[in-house]
Amino acid sequence: DSGVTQTPKHLITATGQRVTLRCSPRSGDLSVYWYQQSLDQGLQFLIQYYNGEERAKGNILERFSAQQFPDLHSELNLSSLELGDSALYFCASSVGPQLNTGELFFGEGSRLTVL
Amino acid sequence: AQSVTQPDIHITVSEGASLELRCNYSYGATPYLFWYVQSPGQGLQLLLKYFSGDTLVQGIKGFEAEFKRSQSSFNLRKPSVHWSDAAEYFCAVGYGGSQGNLIFGKGTKLSVKP
Repeated sequence: DSGVTQTPKHLITATGQRVTLRCSPRSGDLSVYWYQQSLDQGLQFLIQYYNGEERAKGNILERFSAQQFPDLHSELNLSSLELGDSALYFCASSVGPQLNTGELFFGEGSRLTVL
Repeated sequence: AQSVTQPDIHITVSEGASLELRCNYSYGATPYLFWYVQSPGQGLQLLLKYFSGDTLVQGIKGFEAEFKRSQSSFNLRKPSVHWSDAAEYFCAVGYGGSQGNLIFGKGTKLSVKP
């Protein structure tokens, strides 16, 4: 158990819909990262937050947005869903904003299926 | 652009045999390098990491990796594979800058024959 909690574990929805994925980081971790894992693209970095502020942005679509709340949990919002958004979405957390401040701990992921 | 290549999509080894998983990276400076393992239905677990110093790093579960700057490689090794090592292995590279995101390779799936 990494200490990173993601909900829901599985989600099935239809095209055009909107979903929210939630992540609670490990106790004491201030950085939260979102990754998308799909068969064709592999593991793609989406976005990083540190202590409530956006820190880095990767290949995140405009239909996707995220935020980190004062209690440090994070939510990833996916809207106008398409079939190609079906993937496993991972959240990870770390103590600080940079790699040399500590390792990334990954949650077990939220599997999104868009029908 | 920075990238990570894992040339082997799937490897099968016999239990007790040695293992080497290859990883090559493309990056302008000395990167931070990582190996993660993902078991079915699980998240990613860190096996080992290289930031600087000794180029041979030891990790958990008996794994080790060697950083070779001249070859831009960070291959993962284990002298004797156990059936429980069957999983998918990901090599990742990170920046030394102000952010903590990682770039992952496509992964190598390891199967272990009894």
